[in-house]
Amino acid sequence: GAGVSQTPSNKVTEKGKYVELRCDPISGHTALYWYRQSLGQGPEFLIYFQGTGAADDSGLPNDRFFAVRPEGSVSTLKIQRTERGDSAVYLCASSLTRVGANVLTFGAGSRLTVL
Amino acid sequence: GEDVEQSLFLSVREGDSSVINCTYTDSSSTYLYWYKQEPGAGLQLLTYIFSNMDMKQDQRLTVLLNKKDKHLSLRIADTQTGDSAIYFCAETDGSSNTGKLIFGQGTTLQVKP
Repeated sequence: GAGVSQTPSNKVTEKGKYVELRCDPISGHTALYWYRQSLGQGPEFLIYFQGTGAADDSGLPNDRFFAVRPEGSVSTLKIQRTERGDSAVYLCASSLTRVGANVLTFGAGSRLTVL
Repeated sequence: GEDVEQSLFLSVREGDSSVINCTYTDSSSTYLYWYKQEPGAGLQLLTYIFSNMDMKQDQRLTVLLNKKDKHLSLRIADTQTGDSAIYFCAETDGSSNTGKLIFGQGTTLQVKP
């Protein structure tokens, strides 16, 4: 597609529920990143995919968070047993190559509110 | 670990120059970036600089890099009200080969007419 698409744009859920957030990267971009942005903060790295595999998941805060990218394109971030502290904007970014500058193109984000 | 620090807020008058500053800790970063975020939108890449360069100019934007002091700045000439946004400095994580970026907390630029 023309840009990185994220759905839903807004999600309100109750504490303890399960949530899935979807990212559709730019066609042909092999690298995909998930970031989390809390209010008033910069984006914090969660996980990086190169193709289908999670090459770096060091930013996932705990085992309630999981992400997949089964066909090397669309990715889903899954959050189990949501907590109020999970409320944030979840950003997805993709890039074409890591030769030279790694230019990440970001989606508009999915705003998650846990009540 | 890696850390990127920015001042939180800058207010300027339309037509003035804006200078947004950033310090970083990872001396092995190969590239440093400036992103812009407008309300309700994702981050938009403004410019980047290779760590071996001192300066890069792109239209109204000038990036200065002092690698010795690990200091990066973004100068916006003739600032317009449309430049009002949050500006993020980011460094490449030099300790990994993932290409992931480490972001600062952002500087809110307010441009007064």
